[in-house]
Amino acid sequence: EVQLVESGGGLVQPGGSLRLSCAASGFTFSSYWMHWVRQAPGKGLVWVSRINNDGSGTMYADSVKGRFTISRDNAKNTLYLQMDSLRAEDTAVYYCAKTLKHHMDVWGQGTTVTVSS
Amino acid sequence: QSALTQPASVSGSPGQSITIYCTGTSGDVGGYNYVSWYQHHPGKAPKFVIYEVSNRPSGVSNRFSGSKSGNTASLTISGLQVEDEADYYCSSYTSISTWVFGGGTKLTVL
Repeated sequence: EVQLVESGGGLVQPGGSLRLSCAASGFTFSSYWMHWVRQAPGKGLVWVSRINNDGSGTMYADSVKGRFTISRDNAKNTLYLQMDSLRAEDTAVYYCAKTLKHHMDVWGQGTTVTVSS
Repeated sequence: QSALTQPASVSGSPGQSITIYCTGTSGDVGGYNYVSWYQHHPGKAPKFVIYEVSNRPSGVSNRFSGSKSGNTASLTISGLQVEDEADYYCSSYTSISTWVFGGGTKLTVL
């Protein structure tokens, strides 16, 4: 079964850091680009970042550029999102998603990040 | 990186058809046939129902269909069923190699 499981969410103070993980199984992880997408409370889905299959290419939304870093460990079948200088507006459920061509065909259940003092 | 424009809500009765529109620019929706649609039941993982404008993945009902004209894409759900009630999001690949989502549309099946 193709599966993505996020972890690492929690409560963090403004200015703090958090690293999210996304464990992949059921497919050849190293063959696919991956994304992070978030949903703030009561709001819609927002694309955050993507990484190509070997980790050599990354892109970010303007709202997180310079603060968030996407990476992957293909040996561990795991995607990461390092989040630094966190702000209240980063509070959201964070989903990882697998790319197939130019759409996201498999999604995780999400992990919740709350930035608050 | 402005969000694509979707109506906040649509509604229909069981058996009816509804269409959700998604408007972007020539740098995203209008420039590529890479529009996809996602169904999201709160608390669950989003699920893709249409990819590359009009393609339906296996396992998705043929009641779901997609199209595009210029900078506007659309998702039509025919023969509405109660289980179709969810939030729907369009998404597009963009000219700067990023992705963008619409603001989401809440579908209510009356």
